[in-house]
Amino acid sequence: TQLLEQSPQFLSIQEGENLTVYCNSSSVFSSLQWYRQEPGEGPVLLVTVVTGGEVKKLKRLTFQFGDARKDSSLHITAAQPGDTGLYLCAGPLNRSDKLIFGTGTRLQVFP
Amino acid sequence: GAVVSQHPSWVICKSGTSVKIECRSLDFQATTMFWYRQFPKQSLMLMATSNEGSKATYEQGVEKDKFLINHASLTLSTLTVTSAHPEDSSFYICSAGGKNYGYTFGSGTRLTVV
Repeated sequence: TQLLEQSPQFLSIQEGENLTVYCNSSSVFSSLQWYRQEPGEGPVLLVTVVTGGEVKKLKRLTFQFGDARKDSSLHITAAQPGDTGLYLCAGPLNRSDKLIFGTGTRLQVFP
Repeated sequence: GAVVSQHPSWVICKSGTSVKIECRSLDFQATTMFWYRQFPKQSLMLMATSNEGSKATYEQGVEKDKFLINHASLTLSTLTVTSAHPEDSSFYICSAGGKNYGYTFGSGTRLTVV
């Protein structure tokens, strides 16, 4: 059973479109992180959200942490081909340092 | 910033042989490192937690005798895939850190067993 479920699994859009990726869990997380991974490389941290209801912006990317700290979303405005990649949410398991990853969302942006 | 170096970046080995993957923290000490496995087009699955000076703790379903982990120093953890088989072919990624300090990931090792 995957603790962090992401949707959609795949997303293929045209340059300039907006999109939202969701990360949902039945468990409460002390924090959630979003990563982007390119083929053959390790994941790169985009943001960490800690407070329920928190919203963080990173240029065209907007991240939100649910009030109950069970879910998060990533919204990309005016997507560009350079946004193509695997987007992963992740959070520490229970009170440990073990970081578990969501199921992933593969985004492809066509010019 | 913190850097984790993983080596090799790719390796091809014959069935039945063993392969060692190294994960080094270059500019910080890591008492804990984590090993992940990633199949094509899938997410990262945590395999084990590597603890400096003590035994690794493995996630359910991961064979500890097949995936040997050694964390003999504060900057180096190794994962040895023993008696490798084609189904062990995968992308292996290490990370160091924790929820309070953040996590730094290696660049991964692509293992192909032929």
